[in-house]
Amino acid sequence: DTGVSQDPRHKITKRGQNVTFRCDPISEHNRLYWYRQTLGQGPEFLTYFQNEAQLEKSRLLSDRFSAERPKGSFSTLEIQRTEQGDSAMYLCASSLNAGRGAFFGQGTRLTVV
Amino acid sequence: DAKTTQPNSMESNEEEPVHLPCNHSTISGTDYIHWYRQLPSQGPEYVIHGLTSNVNNRMASLAIAEDRKSSTLILHRATLRDAAVYYCILRDGGSQGNLIFGKGTKLSVKP
Repeated sequence: DTGVSQDPRHKITKRGQNVTFRCDPISEHNRLYWYRQTLGQGPEFLTYFQNEAQLEKSRLLSDRFSAERPKGSFSTLEIQRTEQGDSAMYLCASSLNAGRGAFFGQGTRLTVV
Repeated sequence: DAKTTQPNSMESNEEEPVHLPCNHSTISGTDYIHWYRQLPSQGPEYVIHGLTSNVNNRMASLAIAEDRKSSTLILHRATLRDAAVYYCILRDGGSQGNLIFGKGTKLSVKP
């Protein structure tokens, strides 16, 4: 499978715990995006990378959220001190340059209890 | 990113063509028109994109108005597997723009 893969697919955590998600983009894609989606809403942009550089962050990305893409390949999204409002589907996508279509992974569903 | 307006929902019959409209009256000259769809419990899937000319691929066709203020995604023969939320998105091809999703159009396909 050469698509975008995300791990884990599901995560249940207690409020206040830290969680980390991983995204493996399509190889040779230089752009990588993170989105969050809640029920009935379209995906909301969080941040994106071009290679290893984080070029844009949404206001939605509070200081409890951090994303990295250390070698320009896979990326991680960490949420510290999780809150119930963080419960959502976290989607990763990758693309080759800005004008091309982006390919999404299946997402990581986070439930904070 | 400029905004788009889509109907909240549409219905279609199986095997019939479907025309999904999108208005983007504030589109700029460097904005590409992208369409994605999201099937239940899956991540969004790229469908098609264009700038000025109509575009065709194996999934759909994209018809772009001459003034570029509106576009239509055309599914030539709807199948039950086409039931999804369809998003029309403008993306600045000249900058580092990301994809800004709206609420999309929920397409139901009746057998």
